[in-house]
Amino acid sequence: QVQLRESGPGLLKPSQTLSLTCSVSGALITSDAYYWSWIRQYPGKGLEWIGSIDHRGNIHQNPSLQSRLFLAIDTSKGQFSLRLSSVIAADTAVYYCARDDTFLRGFDVWGQGTVVTVSS
Amino acid sequence: EIVMTQSPDTLSVSPGERATLSCRASQSVNSHLDWYQQKPGQAPRLLVSRASTRATGVPARFSASGSGTEFTLTISSLQPEDLAVYYCQQYTAFPFTFGQGTTLEIK
Repeated sequence: QVQLRESGPGLLKPSQTLSLTCSVSGALITSDAYYWSWIRQYPGKGLEWIGSIDHRGNIHQNPSLQSRLFLAIDTSKGQFSLRLSSVIAADTAVYYCARDDTFLRGFDVWGQGTVVTVSS
Repeated sequence: EIVMTQSPDTLSVSPGERATLSCRASQSVNSHLDWYQQKPGQAPRLLVSRASTRATGVPARFSASGSGTEFTLTISSLQPEDLAVYYCQQYTAFPFTFGQGTTLEIK
């Protein structure tokens, strides 16, 4: 059974850097079939795609975040990660990691989500 | 970026009745559209990929159609467990974008 699990701090102050890690189990992170993705959900329930990375390090990012965003993957650990710098209150959201099946299509596996709050 | 607009925002349907949810793209996304179901307190779940292909384990009462800019998700006979928010999402162009969601209420 494929599982994804997010980890990282839940509370940050404005201007700090958000760092999240997603641990993958039950699936090969090195498969050519997948991109590994981050999606966030605002308190008002809207969903925003943040970015995706494959095992070769090919990256697609949302231009709205590109200047603050860094995505990475560690295939030896079965993990991928997100760093978002200079956070503001508007970055407060539930952050999900998800698997994007590029053959069958769709974010077919999601983590449970982690709540990130930016507040002074 | 491609803007996805769903209608209605909220839909109230009695058990056993049909529910029809719509999704419109601001430009053609061909058939590059997925549907997700999010139940309270849970992560979204993939329902339909490529506009009309049900994901593994999705009941047959869920069907979807459309291409270009107009898409529809239909639940043929609503069950109480279908209470959820439903989102469409396009993947024809970066950035991937989601609709704002349709909240499905059980009458």
